[in-house]
Amino acid sequence: DAKTTQPPSMDCAEGRAANLPCNHSTISGNEYVYWYRQIHSQGPQYIIHGLKNNETNEMASLIITEDRKSSTLILPHATLRDTAVYYCIVRVVLIEKLVFGKGTKLTVNP
Amino acid sequence: DAGVTQSPTHLIKTRGQQVTLRCSPKSGHDTVSWYQQALGQGPQFIFQYYEEEERQRGNFPDRFSGHQFPNYSSELNVNALLLGDSALYLCASSSDRGSEDGYTFGSGTRLTVV
Repeated sequence: DAKTTQPPSMDCAEGRAANLPCNHSTISGNEYVYWYRQIHSQGPQYIIHGLKNNETNEMASLIITEDRKSSTLILPHATLRDTAVYYCIVRVVLIEKLVFGKGTKLTVNP
Repeated sequence: DAGVTQSPTHLIKTRGQQVTLRCSPKSGHDTVSWYQQALGQGPQFIFQYYEEEERQRGNFPDRFSGHQFPNYSSELNVNALLLGDSALYLCASSSDRGSEDGYTFGSGTRLTVV
């Protein structure tokens, strides 16, 4: 079973920041938080991951709370192409499989 | 640099038949994982191959089997197809030396069992 809880759907206006929350209250000390997204009819795409510190790359920022029980993925300037299902996954790096939940369906509106 | 390539893209089979799906990993990747994604659900892990051996397996029956070749490409075989096997089958590759990195997924094979 997935070890994360995400809202089933969210809406965001184009050009605004999209903030996608994720709860992972049972996360272990050696588990990372990973985010993937799946655009319709494509395979999941890796976005970002982190352990305890906030992370940023060219796609997004990841904010992890100090107790590590929740995190937020931030898309700073959402575009229509960011409409997708976003999956938050906790994973021990050296244990390979990914356990997906149902994710959050993000719709970016013009 | 080609990413993960899966074939065929779409497939229709009759209940009881057998099917083989194929995957070529991203250049430089040596590990291949297979996932099943039913409509409206997240992908579910089937199994993973490394060094031509099944390294990890999810909760799928023995009707699901696989193979990895010396060039790291992989096949997923499903025997005695059931209507419930209709799904998008995704292949993901990774490098065993770079496990912290994200997987690279293919676009999948859409299997319809009638």
